[in-house]
Amino acid sequence: GQSLEQPSEVTAVEGAIVQINCTYQTSGFYGLSWYQQHDGGAPTFLSYNALDGLEETGRFSSFLSRSDSYGYLLLQELQMKDSASYFCAVRDAGGFKTIFGAGTRLFVKA
Amino acid sequence: DAGITQSPRYKITETGRQVTLMCHQTWSHSYMFWYRQDLGHGLRLIYYSAAADITDKGEVSDGYVVSRSKTENFPLTLESATRSQTSVYFCASSTAGTGGNEQFFGPGTRLTVL
Repeated sequence: GQSLEQPSEVTAVEGAIVQINCTYQTSGFYGLSWYQQHDGGAPTFLSYNALDGLEETGRFSSFLSRSDSYGYLLLQELQMKDSASYFCAVRDAGGFKTIFGAGTRLFVKA
Repeated sequence: DAGITQSPRYKITETGRQVTLMCHQTWSHSYMFWYRQDLGHGLRLIYYSAAADITDKGEVSDGYVVSRSKTENFPLTLESATRSQTSVYFCASSTAGTGGNEQFFGPGTRLTVL
């Protein structure tokens, strides 16, 4: 089967840096994605890693280590608006069947 | 407006009734998906479609039926609604190919089965 593990909650202070980890077990692997979802809203895409290493997009970075079946999302210069749920997701080797983690709820405090 | 839309946004129905949730996208994306979201479970894939007339089951497809006669539409039908199908349903679409895995999500349909 396929499963993804990520912490259920993380709390951080405005202006700080936070890392949200994701470990996965899949029968095949095509890439790791991260999505953000605010309460009552739809998930929105943040980043995608197909290869090992770090991808940077503004304040957000995402890292993947395929040998460790592990990735993380790094949020820098936290803002109050970053308070949301963050989901990691993997595509299976077939290409488009996507499995999501249960999500990490990030609370940013002033 | 361009994008991905879902209707209805809210639906209350009774156990045993048939319900159809609509999804429409204007980007001509090849791939479309249906997910349900329940507290503590994240998003779970119900069905996906690679193109018109091509569909495949996801993790939690029992009790659901889909069709895709046109690229832009991907309706999801609950054949005989059960209380366990009370959830928020999201439709999503993405382009074909091996590029970034970005899926574009609709606003969701909040379904309550009494």
